[in-house]
Amino acid sequence: GENVEQHPSTLSVQEGDSAVIKCTYSDSASNYFPWYKQELGKGPQLIIDIRSNVGEKKDQRIAVTLNKTAKHFSLHITETQPEDSAVYFCAAIGAVQGAQKLVFGQGTRLTINP
Amino acid sequence: ETGVTQSPTHLIKTRGQQVTLRCSSQSGHNTVSWYQQALGQGPQFIFQYYREEENGRGNFPPRFSGLQFPNYSSELNVNALELDDSALYLCASSLFLVDTREQYFGPGTRLTVT
Repeated sequence: GENVEQHPSTLSVQEGDSAVIKCTYSDSASNYFPWYKQELGKGPQLIIDIRSNVGEKKDQRIAVTLNKTAKHFSLHITETQPEDSAVYFCAAIGAVQGAQKLVFGQGTRLTINP
Repeated sequence: ETGVTQSPTHLIKTRGQQVTLRCSSQSGHNTVSWYQQALGQGPQFIFQYYREEENGRGNFPPRFSGLQFPNYSSELNVNALELDDSALYLCASSLFLVDTREQYFGPGTRLTVT
């Protein structure tokens, strides 16, 4: 089955700097890669996603890149702000008997220092 | 547009007891997936319901079961609770179509088994 590895597990950056989180996946059949932000006491919030037929996608300060050949994808946050502090999860869709099953990475705790 | 809601918010049960968790899907969505998130880890797929039937299951024992109702809301039932069942249980709703993948999470139910 699909396996997703995420690193780093913790990341601390100065406000205004950029943050990059990287993930690798194992199943070449996976074709959808979302990123979620989870704040304390809340459920994961979908912040951006990318499909396998696209190499890069950007939404304001957030961008995601995908390298299908190397089976890795990355989240880039520019001009970081204190409200970006949270745990970020990458995920991939792996098929389970036809179900759209999200397989998550282990998470990255991002801290933005003022 | 109504988001995903879950009830209860918190729950404390004793080992061996049974529990029922509830989820109302986002309006316009027809599919509900359940995930278990242990402390400090990424969510793990339990199962998915589509058209009131289980559409796929992760690596969870049969004492984890579910239901989906005609209005697309869903229940997760766990029998014979074990200490390791203590976790945040997340429900995600989506629209099951050929070209859709997005899953939107509710706030979760925090289950503590003592």
